[in-house]
Amino acid sequence: QSALTQPASVSGSPGQSITISCTGTSSDVGGYNYVSWYQQHPGKAPKLMIYDVSNRPSGVSNRFSGSKSGNTASLTISGLQAEDEADYYCSSYTSSSTPVFGGGTKLTVL
Amino acid sequence: EVQLVESGGGLVKPGGSLRLSCAASGFTFSSYSMNWVRQAPGKGLEWVSSISSSSSYIYYADSVKGRFTISRDNAKNSLYLQMNSLRAEDTAVYYCARAVDSSGYYYVLNYWGQGTLVTVSS
Repeated sequence: QSALTQPASVSGSPGQSITISCTGTSSDVGGYNYVSWYQQHPGKAPKLMIYDVSNRPSGVSNRFSGSKSGNTASLTISGLQAEDEADYYCSSYTSSSTPVFGGGTKLTVL
Repeated sequence: EVQLVESGGGLVKPGGSLRLSCAASGFTFSSYSMNWVRQAPGKGLEWVSSISSSSSYIYYADSVKGRFTISRDNAKNSLYLQMNSLRAEDTAVYYCARAVDSSGYYYVLNYWGQGTLVTVSS
């Protein structure tokens, strides 16, 4: 199973909104509403931010939102804050009954 | 408080074996499926394996199938990963992660350990 495709990096200024895309195929992202997003700060464990495309776990800021169209899922962060600077990974269930991660996107807050 | 603590990492020669452990606390371990996810130095996340709460369902990434074995001991609140025939490309931080349900195939991972480093080198 090939990794999902994410941009290597995105950036934005405090207060702005950014969107990170995650492109797969009909065998993963496009075929199931089981896309998750994880945030990882340097040297730390990943943290679940979004699950099932657009659901937020309790405790995650409502500045984080998720969506999907066809084979591409997206994570949007509004009102960017310095603490949002991190790596972000998408993950999708696949037709093999296993998950696949994206390559990761480094978010820089300017 | 949910805690997952990995151990067992270290330096091993190519072709060697290593057994990772993950000690769980703060929740009913027997009610949740568990996963191993790894991250090579400077690289992205790679899912490795999952096991359902009762060990009925077990899945592996193609990259480790036939070499790695996941298991759990619900009486000891522990998860394991037996790694055989190790290769240089298995070098990574290995994370233990808890899923939100018991199935073993719903991969929403809401709790993660801090990871243990496995280095495969001669």
